[in-house]
Amino acid sequence: AQSVTQLGSHVSVSEGALVLLRCNYSSSVPPYLFWYVQYPNQGLQLLLKYTSAATLVKGINGFEAEFKKSETSFHLTKPSAHMSDAAEYFCAVSPISGGYNKLIFGAGTRLAVHP
Amino acid sequence: NAGVMQNPRHLVRRRGQEARLRCSPMKGHSHVYWYRQLPEEGLKFMVYLQKENIIDESGMPKERFSAEFPKEGPSILRIQQVVRGDSAAYFCASSPSSGSAYNEQFFGPGTRLTVL
Repeated sequence: AQSVTQLGSHVSVSEGALVLLRCNYSSSVPPYLFWYVQYPNQGLQLLLKYTSAATLVKGINGFEAEFKKSETSFHLTKPSAHMSDAAEYFCAVSPISGGYNKLIFGAGTRLAVHP
Repeated sequence: NAGVMQNPRHLVRRRGQEARLRCSPMKGHSHVYWYRQLPEEGLKFMVYLQKENIIDESGMPKERFSAEFPKEGPSILRIQQVVRGDSAAYFCASSPSSGSAYNEQFFGPGTRLTVL
């Protein structure tokens, strides 16, 4: 069965510092991969997705993620954190077979940004 | 273009009562997914529906939970005889009609259920 592991339930960075949120997946074949952001008391918003095209995926708000098959990883980065980036971030996978998008989420990483 | 609508946003029920959660997908979307988020956890898939059909309910508890997506009207997630362990945020997401595995799911704001 597919699974997602997000290392670090809480990450704290200074404003302007690099953001690195880690995600590793477990799958016999590379699945589709997604990063979502959740602001307090809101639904999830898609940041970016990997669908077997380019391994470096650029998303909204300056975020990007790199798919590394050898490491089964899909880490999320942003060169310079902004206060508005404080939120919870979820990595998710979707099996390619089945024809529909049944997302399997990691436990989430809460990002804090301090001045 | 309105996004995915969920109501109520907050729902309080006493043990043994019924909870009905509603989800109106985005216009033109005929695929609906329900997820549950327990405190301090990620979202867990519950059920996937198309109009008038349950396609995958592998994440639904076997008892007390049911879902529907009628030809007209919103999708309904129904929880009978609620227990404290049902307290969670329930999210609905919709995707376009093509239903491709990499189509983006658009999430609603969620319904936060509290069982007293």
